[in-house]
Amino acid sequence: NAGVTQTPKFRVLKTGQSMTLLCAQDMNHEYMYWYRQDPGMGLRLIHYSVGEGTTAKGEVPDGYNVSRLKKQNFLLGLESAAPSQTSVYFCASSPQDYGYTFGSGTRLTVV
Amino acid sequence: AQSVTQLGSHVSVSEGALVLLRCNYSSSVPPYLFWYVQYPNQGLQLLLKYTTGATLVKGINGFEAEFKKSETSFHLTKPSAHMSDAAEYFCAVTEGSVNQFYFGTGTSLTVIP
Repeated sequence: NAGVTQTPKFRVLKTGQSMTLLCAQDMNHEYMYWYRQDPGMGLRLIHYSVGEGTTAKGEVPDGYNVSRLKKQNFLLGLESAAPSQTSVYFCASSPQDYGYTFGSGTRLTVV
Repeated sequence: AQSVTQLGSHVSVSEGALVLLRCNYSSSVPPYLFWYVQYPNQGLQLLLKYTTGATLVKGINGFEAEFKKSETSFHLTKPSAHMSDAAEYFCAVTEGSVNQFYFGTGTSLTVIP
């Protein structure tokens, strides 16, 4: 089925470790996004991309890096994980009319 | 600056009763407004959206919302709740910039048999 696929679905990291979250979409969407969801805070935009090879900072970019080398993939990296980055991470993609399609999320715990 | 306020972090209704989830926004220009639903351990799914035109918007699963500029509101309603409607609902607003898309903090809907 067409959609947004996130890997992994769950991960536990130790403080200071690094990891990369992968997001892949097969809908040929131009725009892709990474959000984090925390209790009582809704979703907050970390980084986004408006096309292959472009990225930009969102509301809460500190501690994260992203890359979009291919149109269908958007990677989110944590270089040195901190407990404050414990969250559920959602990737989304959209054409230009804000019809977001979300992935099913990655639950990350940093201990 | 834009913002979204969802009144009531938890709402409970009986099966068959009216569902009303409240959303108020602030925006300096005519906004685009959205409602999303999130089922447990899943991503968000678009229920409906208002961009321009008719202020009463119909979405999936029998939900609808009305854009009321004078009240800066975009409340979500459904005439008769089903057990399958139990989920988290998010209101969102944007003024048109891709990086200025703000979500509310969510309302958890419980449907009582």
